[in-house]
Amino acid sequence: NAGVTQTPKFQVLKTGQSMTLQCAQDMNHEYMSWYRQDPGMGLRLIHYSVGAGITDQGEVPNGYNVSRSTTEDFPLRLLSAAPSQTSVYFCASSNTLPGEQYFGPGTRLTVT
Amino acid sequence: AQRVTQPEKLLSVFKGAPVELKCNYSYSGSPELFWYVQYSRQRLQLLLRHISRESIKGFTADLNKGETSFHLKKPFAQEEDSAMYYCALSGGSYIPTFGRGTSLIVHP
Repeated sequence: NAGVTQTPKFQVLKTGQSMTLQCAQDMNHEYMSWYRQDPGMGLRLIHYSVGAGITDQGEVPNGYNVSRSTTEDFPLRLLSAAPSQTSVYFCASSNTLPGEQYFGPGTRLTVT
Repeated sequence: AQRVTQPEKLLSVFKGAPVELKCNYSYSGSPELFWYVQYSRQRLQLLLRHISRESIKGFTADLNKGETSFHLKKPFAQEEDSAMYYCALSGGSYIPTFGRGTSLIVHP
């Protein structure tokens, strides 16, 4: 099993550009989530999904969209990138709640 | 609402010294508490969870409901313990809430 995979590993965007961060898991986990990691702020939940077709907002959802059309994939879309979205983004999945979260390797995003 | 507080951003100790990383939480129901670790250039991974009552890599953590704490302890720190440590709380069917993290540096 590859576990949780994320692409790309690094990305540089200009202000106003849009892009999609990809996340996939091959463990048949129902629950998937996106976090951003910022120095001094820890991990903050952006959006999450409790199953295909079901998504909800986390603590910091503004500027981001998600969809969950399949169990495996949970892409995160930045609609119009801003410098405040410069961060490291982690995708995670789990098969139970509460339960162990399995994390991807992260995507480091810089918005100039 | 669920909330996790890790009061120390940085903890610096010498090899062989005891380590305690503090975690306090706020949740009205019965919480599930976790410690995650992120070593340099690696992804976050689960270190331990309170219901398993295990000792992983010499680390233990006890849930104290009276003090609403879940401190992570190790009697003798090793250099390879240097990492970022996150406390996480999952209440009921909620996606976990993470603390701000504590960076542990163990000097030789």
